[in-house]
Order: sequence, then structure tokens, then C-alpha cells
Amino acid sequence: SQTIHQWPATLVQPVGSPLSLECTVEGTSNPNLYWYRQAAGRGLQLLFYSVGIGQISSEVPQNLSASRPQDRQFILSSKKLLLSDSGFYLCAWRGSGSHGYTFGSGTRLTVV
Amino acid sequence: AQSVTQLGSHVSVSEGALVLLRCNYSSSVPPYLFWYVQYPNQGLQLLLKYTSAATLVKGINGFEAEFKKSETSFHLTKPSAHMSDAAEYFCAVSRGQAGTALIFGKGTTLSVSS
Repeated sequence: SQTIHQWPATLVQPVGSPLSLECTVEGTSNPNLYWYRQAAGRGLQLLFYSVGIGQISSEVPQNLSASRPQDRQFILSSKKLLLSDSGFYLCAWRGSGSHGYTFGSGTRLTVV
Repeated sequence: AQSVTQLGSHVSVSEGALVLLRCNYSSSVPPYLFWYVQYPNQGLQLLLKYTSAATLVKGINGFEAEFKKSETSFHLTKPSAHMSDAAEYFCAVSRGQAGTALIFGKGTTLSVSS
């Protein structure tokens, strides 16, 4: 069966520090992968999506970047965190021919 | 461009009462529509989806939604609320092409009182 892993679950980082959040999928190949951020009262904002290794599309300009070094690995990064980067980050995958997402359990990032 | 509007950021009902969460969509092509539920500090779980088959879609936990093209709506209902239904609910739309990103509404928080 397919599973999605996201870690860490919570993270507190100082302003200006780097960030690396990892998401991996098991039990499927060539998934479409997505990073969303959820801020209070703002719903889910699509940050990045990837249809294959090394292929990243950015939806909004921001302080973050994404990479897909392997087929089932999706990484969200920042060189220097801002206070406004705080939020709940969700990774999701979608199989080819499928229409719904499966979400990871999320990472609560607090930038202090 | 596609978009989703969820009417009402907070909905409160009594246990046993009807639950109605509203969602209207905008899409230039036939849409695929979804409802997700999120419990505190957890990821999102798919409740149900409309993918151009039956317009009345039944999901998990007793929820259902009806696709109404003339009203561009996809409202979520449940005949009798349970305390465990208290959560945040998100409506989402995609262009119907598998693999395209979902666009989410801002969410509706459902509170259930005893």
C-alpha cells in the first residue's frame, strides 16, 4: 500500500536559520508531489509541485525552494527563515491517473 | 482560472442536527471536486470526491455532497451531526486532468455542541 511520510512533526527555528523539511512516498512510482502551507484563516496555499525528478514548479514567489532529488522524495528548503514562514506545511502526493491527494501528517514550523 | 469559495468560516450545530457546509466553485472546464477534513495538527483526509460520474456523492463518516452545475455548487451535508465531526473542512477543485494541482478553499470550522 502507498504511504507518505513527512518529518519532523514540529520544528522551532530562529529567524535567519536554514530549513529542510522532507517528504517521502512509499509504494508508488512517479507520483506527482506537492508542498502546501497552511496559515491560520488562509486555507491551504500551494507552494510547489513536481511531476518528476528535478522538475519543480513554483506557484508563489517566496523565501522557500523545493527539490526532488529522487522519484519519491520531495524536500522543502530555505536558506534564511523569516517570521512569516511560520505555518503548517503539508506534503501530498497524487498518482498518475488519480484525481485525489493523499496528505502527509504535516510539519508545524514556528520561526522565532 | 479555477477557484473555490467556502461560505462561512465557522459553522456551529448541535449534536444530532443537520450539517451543511457550503462550497461554490469557478471553473472554465468541467471540474473535479473534493471535500477534505482536517483534525487539529493532522494532515487532510479525503471525505469524498466528484469526478463526473453520479452527481450525488457519498463519502465516509455519513457525509455526502451534491454537484449542481447550474448553481456551481458542491455543498457538503450530513443528516445528523456527531461530536466527532468537529473539525475543519476544505473544499477543493481541479481541472479534471489527473496530476494537476488542487485549489483549496479557505476552510470551514465545524463546531458541534451537546
